[in-house]
Amino acid sequence: AQSVAQPEDQVNVAEGNPLTVKCTYSVSGNPYLFWYVQYPNRGLQFLLKYITGDNLVKGSYGFEAEFNKSQTSFHLKKPSALVSDSALYFCAVRELGNTPLVFGKGTRLSVIA
Amino acid sequence: ETGVTQTPRHLVMGMTNKKSLKCEQHLGHNAMYWYKQSAKKPLELMFVYNFKEQTENNSVPSRFSPECPNSSHLFLHLHTLQPEDSALYLCASSQEGSTDTQYFGPGTRLTVL
Repeated sequence: AQSVAQPEDQVNVAEGNPLTVKCTYSVSGNPYLFWYVQYPNRGLQFLLKYITGDNLVKGSYGFEAEFNKSQTSFHLKKPSALVSDSALYFCAVRELGNTPLVFGKGTRLSVIA
Repeated sequence: ETGVTQTPRHLVMGMTNKKSLKCEQHLGHNAMYWYKQSAKKPLELMFVYNFKEQTENNSVPSRFSPECPNSSHLFLHLHTLQPEDSALYLCASSQEGSTDTQYFGPGTRLTVL
């Protein structure tokens, strides 16, 4: 069965600095990987996904993520953090076929001015 | 966020009450989902409907009863809930396919007294 790990409960970064939110996964076949963001009192908002092709995926709000098959990772990155990026970030993975989308437990990002 | 709507946004109920949560998607999708989000826990998939047919039921207690009358509407009927059922209940929709993105509603914050 597929699984996702987000090893950090909390990430703190200064505004203007680069940010990374980590995600590793475990699947038996090819993974389909997703990042979502959740702002307070809101649902999950889709940021980006990796299906196939270029390992570097660009998404909304200047975020990008790099698929690394050898390290089974899909870390979320942004070159310059904004205070408005402060939110809860979820990584998710799915396999080909009728399998559910499995979410990590989330990482809370705090960007400090 | 207006692609998937949920009502009510907040609900407080006693353990003997019966209530229903409603979800509507305006995206032309054919799959709909109910998730439970509790503090400090990963998102829990509760139910999946594809083309109005239930295809997934992750050992959810019978006090939660889903209904999908058409591909645009999804309900979650609640009765005799427990305080530990207090959580954010999220609805999502997608085209059915492993690579297709799920889009979430804003959620219903449920409190069981």
